[in-house]
Amino acid sequence: DTAVSQTPKYLVTQMGNDKSIKCEQNLGHDTMYWYKQDSKKFLKIMFSYNNKELIINETVPNRFSPKSPDKAHLNLHINSLELGDSAVYFCASSPRRGPTGYGYTFGSGTRLTVV
Amino acid sequence: RKEVEQDPGPFNVPEGATVAFNCTYSNSASQSFFWYRQDCRKEPKLLMSVYSSGNEDGRFTAQLNRASQYISLLIRDSKLSDSATYLCVVNGNAGNMLTFGGGTRLMVKP
Repeated sequence: DTAVSQTPKYLVTQMGNDKSIKCEQNLGHDTMYWYKQDSKKFLKIMFSYNNKELIINETVPNRFSPKSPDKAHLNLHINSLELGDSAVYFCASSPRRGPTGYGYTFGSGTRLTVV
Repeated sequence: RKEVEQDPGPFNVPEGATVAFNCTYSNSASQSFFWYRQDCRKEPKLLMSVYSSGNEDGRFTAQLNRASQYISLLIRDSKLSDSATYLCVVNGNAGNMLTFGGGTRLMVKP
C-alpha cells in the first residue's frame, strides 16, 4: 500500500563504486522527482521527470543519471561515488507537472553513506 | 539570498503554548505555497497548503502576505507530538518545482 517506495533504505558503499536507487509510485502520478537532503538538512531538487520525459536537471554532476522506464518508476544511478555524495536521497511524485496545490508525496528516503 | 529563508530555531516551547514561524521567499512570481513537516530521519509530509486568504486546519493556521513575500504558520495549544522540523515550501523558478526552506525546528517540552 506504500504510495512512493524507495529501495534500498540504507546504502553504505566505498568511494569509486557505482550504485543505484530505485523508486516506484502507485499513485498514478505523472511527475516524479529526486531530491537530495544534505547534512545541513537542505532539500534540493536534482531531477524531475514528467511521464518518462526529463523536465528538470539541476546542476548535478554527470555521475548522476536518472532513468524512467515508465511513469511509475524513476531510478537514480550514481557512478564513481564520492564522499560528498553522502546524503539522504528522496524520491517524490505529484499528480502532474507542478504542485497543483497538492504538494508532493515523498518516499521514505535512501540514506547513502560513502566511506 | 536564498530562495526560501527560515529561522532554523530551535524553538523550545512548553506544552500548550502558541508558537509562530515565518518564512520569506524571493520569487515574486511564486503561485503555490505549503508547509511541510519532517520528523527526525523521516520524509517530509505535507502539513497544509497556504492560500492567499489564509487558512486554518485545527490548531494550525497559515497566512500568506504576497506584498511582503512571507508566509507564516501558527500552532496553537502545542502538543509534544508537534515536535518536528517545519519546512516552508514555495514553487520555484523552473517548471513549478518546489523549493524548500531549510526548516524551523520545534521542540515542545512537557
